[in-house]
Amino acid sequence: NAGVTQTPKFRILKIGQSMTLQCAQDMNHNYMYWYRQDPGMGLKLIYYSVGAGITDKGEVPNGYNVSRSTTEDFPLRLELAAPSQTSVYFCASSPVSSNQPQHFGDGTRLSIL
Amino acid sequence: QKEVEQNSGPLSVPEGAIASLNCTYSDRGSQSFFWYRQYSGKSPELIMFIYSNGDKEDGRFTAQLNKASQYVSLLIRDSQPSDSATYLCAVTCSSGGSYIPTFGRGTSLIVHP
Repeated sequence: NAGVTQTPKFRILKIGQSMTLQCAQDMNHNYMYWYRQDPGMGLKLIYYSVGAGITDKGEVPNGYNVSRSTTEDFPLRLELAAPSQTSVYFCASSPVSSNQPQHFGDGTRLSIL
Repeated sequence: QKEVEQNSGPLSVPEGAIASLNCTYSDRGSQSFFWYRQYSGKSPELIMFIYSNGDKEDGRFTAQLNKASQYVSLLIRDSQPSDSATYLCAVTCSSGGSYIPTFGRGTSLIVHP
């Protein structure tokens, strides 16, 4: 079972570059989420989606964009990367509502230099 | 701003003891409560979830929920060194008509032989 798959696992970007973090799930889950986790901190919600074509901002959306064209995929776009975006990014999904447990991907460790 | 508070620890317990982890939340309308375990460098994995007041037991783990006092706790009986990890409390909080998971910063647990 693949579950939630994130690519890449590691990436180093230069300030001002752009990139897309990929997230795919094969469990037919409606809800998908992007979090960032800084050292010693919990997870901060960046964006979430309740289904294909529907996205909404979380707690820390600035500097990021998302799209949800299919149920399976939920890519996160970083435009004009800044050092403050150095973090570990986790994608997660939950079945039919946000009141159900989340399944997490393995994370993407991103450094902006 | 909906808040979920946890003592960052570390909480140190001897092997075989009971570890008690606590979490408080600010949103009285919260519906779902989760405990995730996160090993260093890994993604969170679900330990327990609870929706109703009272206790819920699963093996060595017991989740306790008190909505009137707005706290949820996790008890780990017969603690093992393999339980050493960071434990994240997550609470679904109301946000614009949806319920969105909000995470605490996590409590670091160390079980020493």
